[in-house]
Amino acid sequence: DTEVTQTPKHLVMGMTNKKSLKCEQHMGHRAMYWYKQKAKKPPELMFVYSYEKLSINESVPSRFSPECPNSSLLNLHLHALQPEDSALYLCASSQDPGWGSFFGPGTRLTVL
Amino acid sequence: GQQLNQSPQSMFIQEGEDVSMNCTSSSIFNTWLWYKQDPGEGPVLLIALYKAGELTSNGRLTAQFGITRKDSFLNISASIPSDVGIYFCAGQSGGADGLTFGKGTHLIIQP
Repeated sequence: DTEVTQTPKHLVMGMTNKKSLKCEQHMGHRAMYWYKQKAKKPPELMFVYSYEKLSINESVPSRFSPECPNSSLLNLHLHALQPEDSALYLCASSQDPGWGSFFGPGTRLTVL
Repeated sequence: GQQLNQSPQSMFIQEGEDVSMNCTSSSIFNTWLWYKQDPGEGPVLLIALYKAGELTSNGRLTAQFGITRKDSFLNISASIPSDVGIYFCAGQSGGADGLTFGKGTHLIIQP
């Protein structure tokens, strides 16, 4: 298995909803990442997990809450989001921190 | 924060032409990566560079890690229609860091 999977592919939520994005990889990678990408912009780093521990939080608002239940799974819990949080949310993994990252297909999030 | 300057912003070329794009930074990176992204999809890793001066090929693609560790280029030879898309360079400073991306080069191929 050489891919990163993300579910759901699309998500529409209201500002009072709670939802979660899920990411999974079975390549034995030890680093996993969340990125946010707005239209016509490059991906922007949100969180880095290294060996299942949160190592970087790029000043992301607390309405985004990451979780790494095990070495294969990465979740992003969403609560009380704003319309400006609408974007493509990308998960990535790498063999070790510092190696090239492989990206999932993303979750297209729309906040109404 | 760190910034990558990627150029050109867009390229309009004829099928069969060679393509060249590059990224520069004021900071040193230990890893340079090149990705291609199609609309609505995640970026796909094309080439990864881990050593200053390294020149690596992947089919019609060739990329180099600049000797100063502050730049990288990507060449595509004999372009074909499926090469259309947005190409991003990305750099990584340290082992536990995520990626810093350039703003992308939009490649458009005219038949």
